[in-house]
Amino acid sequence: RKEVEQDPGPFNVPEGATVAFNCTYSNSASQSFFWYRQDCRKEPKLLMSVYSSGNEDGRFTAQLNRASQYISLLIRDSKLSDSATYLCVAPGGTYKYIFGTGTRLKVLA
Amino acid sequence: EPEVTQTPSHQVTQMGQEVILRCVPISNHLYFYWYRQILGQKVEFLVSFYNNEISEKSEIFDDQFSVERPDGSNFTLKIRSTKLEDSAMYFCASSLGQGYNEQFFGPGTRLTVL
Repeated sequence: RKEVEQDPGPFNVPEGATVAFNCTYSNSASQSFFWYRQDCRKEPKLLMSVYSSGNEDGRFTAQLNRASQYISLLIRDSKLSDSATYLCVAPGGTYKYIFGTGTRLKVLA
Repeated sequence: EPEVTQTPSHQVTQMGQEVILRCVPISNHLYFYWYRQILGQKVEFLVSFYNNEISEKSEIFDDQFSVERPDGSNFTLKIRSTKLEDSAMYFCASSLGQGYNEQFFGPGTRLTVL
């Protein structure tokens, strides 16, 4: 299994839809995870941290399933501005982070 | 809001030349990182740095690469003899604590090796 794996997409959804992405990780000892958003040719921007079972911030909810070794990101009421690539990140060591390949989301008017 | 800054935004160099990419991390952060992203590919970890020494490095970070914190604010990545395949976006990041603290990224330096 790859260290961090994501479905590359693209996920094409209409405005207002709910969309969910999954990310699987291989290191069962990992304690915390992150979702970043990356716009084309820009830097990753932190969206959410996931330290325990989950986290919620407005329209965004992240959940962690340790038994199955995956984290998910749910976006409710999608906006055009949510169109981006969503990166899943897991620790690859004490001082190292592993990025997934990212899932592309396109929100359509 | 404090942010990570990087210079230059774009660097063009000839194969075999040395380049130095510069970063100013967030001022109270203690851990610093370099990543690269080849166009169309994923973000790849290069190196982490804490307390003036390398904490961890990837297989990509070979002898051609080095990092330095020459003063209290700058954090640099040097590539001694650039290759065509070094062309990529290089991101600097910093975090307050180790491992499980959120990393904040700079805007990146686009390196083009001709």
